Amino acid sequence: KAGVTQTPRYLIKTRGQQVTLSCSPISGHRSVSWYQQTPGQGLQFLFEYFSETQRNKGNFPGRFSGRQFSNSRSEMNVSTLELGDSALYLCASSLTHGQGGNEKLFFGSGTQLSVL
Amino acid sequence: GENVEQHPSTLSVQEGDSAVIKCTYSDSASNYFPWYKQELGKGPQLIIDIRSNVGEKKDQRIAVTLNKTAKHFSLHITETQPEDSAVYFCAASIRISNTGKLIFGQGTTLQVKP
Repeated sequence: KAGVTQTPRYLIKTRGQQVTLSCSPISGHRSVSWYQQTPGQGLQFLFEYFSETQRNKGNFPGRFSGRQFSNSRSEMNVSTLELGDSALYLCASSLTHGQGGNEKLFFGSGTQLSVL
Repeated sequence: GENVEQHPSTLSVQEGDSAVIKCTYSDSASNYFPWYKQELGKGPQLIIDIRSNVGEKKDQRIAVTLNKTAKHFSLHITETQPEDSAVYFCAASIRISNTGKLIFGQGTTLQVKP
């Protein structure tokens, strides 16, 4: 079974630009969560999508948004990039028969975003 | 507020020794506690998890213990090997209304010296 696939692997952008990251979950998984990982802040929860609906959201500004498609694939978008947005963005999928948060998460390798 | 604290931030052991990483959580409703291992250039990988109705769980050289009263849980790695060197994250489930999410600790960098 293929794992969680994230594209692209690396991205370099400049301040003010916007970026879109893509995530394909494990086949059959219906939930996709996004996390931001930085050396100083660790893994910070961005949001979770289940059945094309955002079910949960972390404490990030509105510049961070996402969506999920009918095939469970997900994208996240960051607009008006700031230097502080430089981070590893991780996507994780889960089966989610329940209400989320208490099931095994399977992570992709992440997209390393550098904002110059 | 929702919070998971993890200690130590770095841990260096000799090959063959044991390693212990500890986490505390703040939400008494938390009921799921996974541990992840992250190697350089890769995403976190689930290595073991425990639910609140169980006090201890083992899988070969790794074990996790949970103390619900004290709100802390620990990862134990015995007979450490150089390939155990990585960053380890604990996490706890947080309930928000009728949904939930995982909150992660800050991570522990484990170095196993051959």
